[in-house]
Amino acid sequence: AQKVTQAQTEISVVEKEDVTLDCVYETRDTTYYLFWYKQPPSGELVFLIRRNSFDEQNEISGRYSWNFQKSTSSFNFTITASQVVDSAVYFCALITVNAGNNRKLIWGLGTSLAVNP
Amino acid sequence: DSGVTQTPKHLITATGQRVTLRCSPRSGDLSVYWYQQSLDQGLQFLIQYYNGEERAKGNILERFSAQQFPDLHSELNLSSLELGDSALYFCASSVAARGGETQYFGPGTRLLVL
Repeated sequence: AQKVTQAQTEISVVEKEDVTLDCVYETRDTTYYLFWYKQPPSGELVFLIRRNSFDEQNEISGRYSWNFQKSTSSFNFTITASQVVDSAVYFCALITVNAGNNRKLIWGLGTSLAVNP
Repeated sequence: DSGVTQTPKHLITATGQRVTLRCSPRSGDLSVYWYQQSLDQGLQFLIQYYNGEERAKGNILERFSAQQFPDLHSELNLSSLELGDSALYFCASSVAARGGETQYFGPGTRLLVL
């Protein structure tokens, strides 16, 4: 079964703290894609990063970094020196493509991050 | 601004009614996705269209239907509305439908069924 688990429902930190949002996925397909999206209080969904199953390189973008580990089926997201503007709900998502080219799109339930001044 | 537009932004209607939500994808994107976001169910993928044809189907109810027109805009029709259909409906678009292309989301339509 395909599944995305974001075990942390809510996280609260103080500004400038580092915070890691966990994402664990399940799939038997060898070709798949992982995403992180941010949903600020205004409600829109903002794309952050995309990773395919053949690329395990970690990525850093400013204060954001992502750690993709196929061995543990995890795609974790770290915010360094968090800021109040980082307060949002963060979603991890999975797209799988099987041998028959059938695709499934699965989303985690999201982690609500509150960064307090 | 993602480049994806959705209308209307807000919609209030009564149970049993029918509504149509509209989405215009980003320029050049051929694929359109519809999602429902509710408090108790999170973000649920409903359906995807690619260049006018249905490409993937998720948890879409039979009371709901969608289509993508030749100009690539898409409409999501919700009929026989129930209180539980109250949710935020998102449209997203991507360039192609080959694999795990990035989806860019519109601002959403907030539907309230009374």
